[in-house]
Amino acid sequence: AQKITQTQPGMFVQEKEAVTLDCTYDTSDPSYGLFWYKQPSSGEMIFLIYQGSYDQQNATEGRYSLNFQKARKSANLVISASQLGDSAMYFCAMRRPISSGSARQLTFGSGTQLTVLP
Amino acid sequence: SAVISQKPSRDICQRGTSLTIQCQVDSQVTMMFWYRQQPGQSLTLIATANQGSEATYESGFVIDKFPISRPNLTFSTLTVSNMSPEDSSIYLCSVPQGPNEKLFFGSGTQLSVL
Repeated sequence: AQKITQTQPGMFVQEKEAVTLDCTYDTSDPSYGLFWYKQPSSGEMIFLIYQGSYDQQNATEGRYSLNFQKARKSANLVISASQLGDSAMYFCAMRRPISSGSARQLTFGSGTQLTVLP
Repeated sequence: SAVISQKPSRDICQRGTSLTIQCQVDSQVTMMFWYRQQPGQSLTLIATANQGSEATYESGFVIDKFPISRPNLTFSTLTVSNMSPEDSSIYLCSVPQGPNEKLFFGSGTQLSVL
């Protein structure tokens, strides 16, 4: 069974500074995908970044980067130059291999509430 | 990424009634998923909506309570039946898209049951 753990229920960061949101996972599958989503107070889920387990380089998308440490089974999200609009709940999620019967479904962590301070 | 339109965006309903949530995608997709997010919780998969066949439900969710329709490759509905306050949640549809089949979500439906 897959498991995603986010140990930080809440985080604070000063505007313009960088922040790291932690995510660890547990899976027996050799192939998997890791996702980060942002959920503002409006409730929508916004895709931020994706990392495949066989990707050689850490994923980056604008101010978002994923610090992927496969041996440690961690996939931390780094947000650089934080903005007030980054205040939201952030979820880490994992997907089983495409070839598996339950492909494309995600297992979510419990989330981290990020607050950016002016 | 596909544009995923979900409606209603929010509703307040009375106990015992039913609400149907619609999800429209601007391109054809083979799979659509319905998730529930209870207050203060993470997302839980309700079911996979399959075009041309019955939906596949996850453990703890049943068709009588959450009937799903998928009449074509761009549209699906989720009905929350015989609602109780415990059904108060955000309901989200999602579709896999693009390389690596990243999962994108609709804007969600915030449901409150009185």
